[in-house]
Amino acid sequence: DTAVSQTPKYLVTQMGNDKSIKCEQNLGHDTMYWYKQDSKKFLKIMFSYNNKELIINETVPNRFSPKSPDKAHLNLHINSLELGDSAVYFCASSLGQVILISGNTIYFGEGSWLTVV
Amino acid sequence: AQTVTQSQPEMSVQEAETVTLSCTYDTSESDYYLFWYKQPPSRQMILVIRQEAYKQQNATENRFSVNFQKAAKSFSLKISDSQLGDAAMYFCAYRIAGGTSYGKLTFGQGTILTVHP
Repeated sequence: DTAVSQTPKYLVTQMGNDKSIKCEQNLGHDTMYWYKQDSKKFLKIMFSYNNKELIINETVPNRFSPKSPDKAHLNLHINSLELGDSAVYFCASSLGQVILISGNTIYFGEGSWLTVV
Repeated sequence: AQTVTQSQPEMSVQEAETVTLSCTYDTSESDYYLFWYKQPPSRQMILVIRQEAYKQQNATENRFSVNFQKAAKSFSLKISDSQLGDAAMYFCAYRIAGGTSYGKLTFGQGTILTVHP
């Protein structure tokens, strides 16, 4: 009964391919995110969705396209993969914008380790 | 723009001893949240502790406590009675309360904690 689950956990693919990472949360949250952790372990937000609506897009290349079919799912599709896309991608979720309500803690999935060769 | 700085790339501690990890941040906001996340070798991002900026009392969670100095924009994590299982990378993170960036966590660079038996 994992709270935030992502698949696949590991993905090795060749440059130029298109791949998707799926994410599902069963916490009843209405906001979901994608974060990227690079080779130096630096974590940075890519996207956030609230009730299927894009809220944050942090200057991510157009090759990255998130899709949220419903508020419990947020998938990440990557076109024309490049070597620099190799990273760990974390899906996360939280309750949405309610000021000062318990910090709206963000819960993370286990990460998807993408290696582009 | 908000920034989070962890000036200690690595720290080590003897089992059962106490260690403090440092974090400073820069923001012009008055309402925000601060977090410490733990990332063990499994890569899972685990919430350790959370602090609301409007609260003067320092947060504590069992062996983990923080020293929150709002004026100095400092947010250190103290781990008491260190255990081998505490060995991990620790990330300090900041999140604004409310607004369109409410879901965005800004992370520090991380501190690798080693626990010696």
